[in-house]
Amino acid sequence: EAGVAQSPRYKIIEKRQSVAFWCNPISGHATLYWYQQILGQGPKLLIQFQNNGVVDDSQLPKDRFSAERLKGVDSTLKIQPAKLEDSAVYLCASSSLVGDGSSGANVLTFGAGSRLTVL
Amino acid sequence: AQTVTQSQPEMSVQEAETVTLSCTYDTSESDYYLFWYKQPPSRQMILVIRQEAYKQQNATENRFSVNFQKAAKSFSLKISDSQLGDAAMYFCAYRRGQAAGNKLTFGGGTRVLVKP
Repeated sequence: EAGVAQSPRYKIIEKRQSVAFWCNPISGHATLYWYQQILGQGPKLLIQFQNNGVVDDSQLPKDRFSAERLKGVDSTLKIQPAKLEDSAVYLCASSSLVGDGSSGANVLTFGAGSRLTVL
Repeated sequence: AQTVTQSQPEMSVQEAETVTLSCTYDTSESDYYLFWYKQPPSRQMILVIRQEAYKQQNATENRFSVNFQKAAKSFSLKISDSQLGDAAMYFCAYRRGQAAGNKLTFGGGTRVLVKP
């Protein structure tokens, strides 16, 4: 099966500019996650969708970050205006609502990420 | 809130030898899952191994095995017969409960260097 697709792979912008990242999850995966990974740290969840509804956006800086998944398939994460501290890799992941194998633990599959540098 | 701690920023291992990565977590839940993910320079997170908290038997996947100590809230990863391709960042992660769609909480990561 095709993996999680993300674009662009790299983006360099100046502070106060805007940027958008796109993610297309694995076909049929109802749950989509956006994680922010600052250099040298573990990923931190920004927002989680189930179909086209938001499940968790408690750590999304809503004054500058927004995300949508209008048709319950692909998703866009936007930052406007960007700050220096937004420099990070933005990882998208998806998972099925159906548990896999005998464990019932659905597994997150990640995309390759989008690296943002804010100057 | 659940937290995951990886106390080793970097570990070095000789090719063909064994290295163990530490992970501790804090939770009040009794039903949860633990994972180890590998992140090579390509940035793609790859699932290495997972453990269900209700299972006493430690999970194994080829050269990778875990030591799950539920009472101590410890979840270490052992890489046996290390290969050059094992060089990467390794992240321990926690997921609460049986409900599908629950998020992963990650530790800060451990960089593994493999010396030829």
